[in-house]
Amino acid sequence: AQTVTQSQPEMSVQEAETVTLSCTYDTSESNYYLFWYKQPPSRQMILVIRQEAYKQQNATENRFSVNFQKAAKSFSLKISDSQLGDTAMYFCAFMKHNTGNQFYFGTGTSLTVIP
Amino acid sequence: DVKVTQSSRYLVKRTGEKVFLECVQDMDHENMFWYRQDPGLGLRLIYFSYDVKMKEKGDIPEGYSVSREKKERFSLILESASTNQTSMYLCASSSGGQGNYEQYFGPGTRLTVT
Repeated sequence: AQTVTQSQPEMSVQEAETVTLSCTYDTSESNYYLFWYKQPPSRQMILVIRQEAYKQQNATENRFSVNFQKAAKSFSLKISDSQLGDTAMYFCAFMKHNTGNQFYFGTGTSLTVIP
Repeated sequence: DVKVTQSSRYLVKRTGEKVFLECVQDMDHENMFWYRQDPGLGLRLIYFSYDVKMKEKGDIPEGYSVSREKKERFSLILESASTNQTSMYLCASSSGGQGNYEQYFGPGTRLTVT
């Protein structure tokens, strides 16, 4: 089974500052996908950003970017110019190609943006 | 936009009751998933389905069963609810085709078993 580790259960950041959430994973696969999902309080889980392992370039989506280190099996999420609406649980997820394309999730990081 | 809906946001059941949680998606997705979410444990996969009538066990299938009679609908069944099944249950769906792989989530059902 694949394992995904998020070692920071809780984090906080001042509004407008930058914060980095960590994620490491364990796999013997060479082709796979990585995701960051966001779950705001009492709201639906939504995709923040995705990264294909075969792409060397780090994915970016507006204020969100990743630092993908394939050899180190590390996939951190950087949030720039943090906003109050970024307050949420963030989950890192790993997917390899198989029947159903199953995801493996980390335990999550609770991020609070402080005004 | 993909929409995944779940039959109830909140549910309270008694120990020993049979419980049905329903999930419907409107994007013709092949894959559907049931997770439970508990604090400190993240999302754990209970069962998933990759086609109508096809199902696979996830990491924690004990005490649960599933049914997928139509492509858009995936049901989670607790045959005899127990207090340790009190949790948030999330349904998700994804396309079986190449490229996207994103899972789309429903709003969740918070189940309390007393």
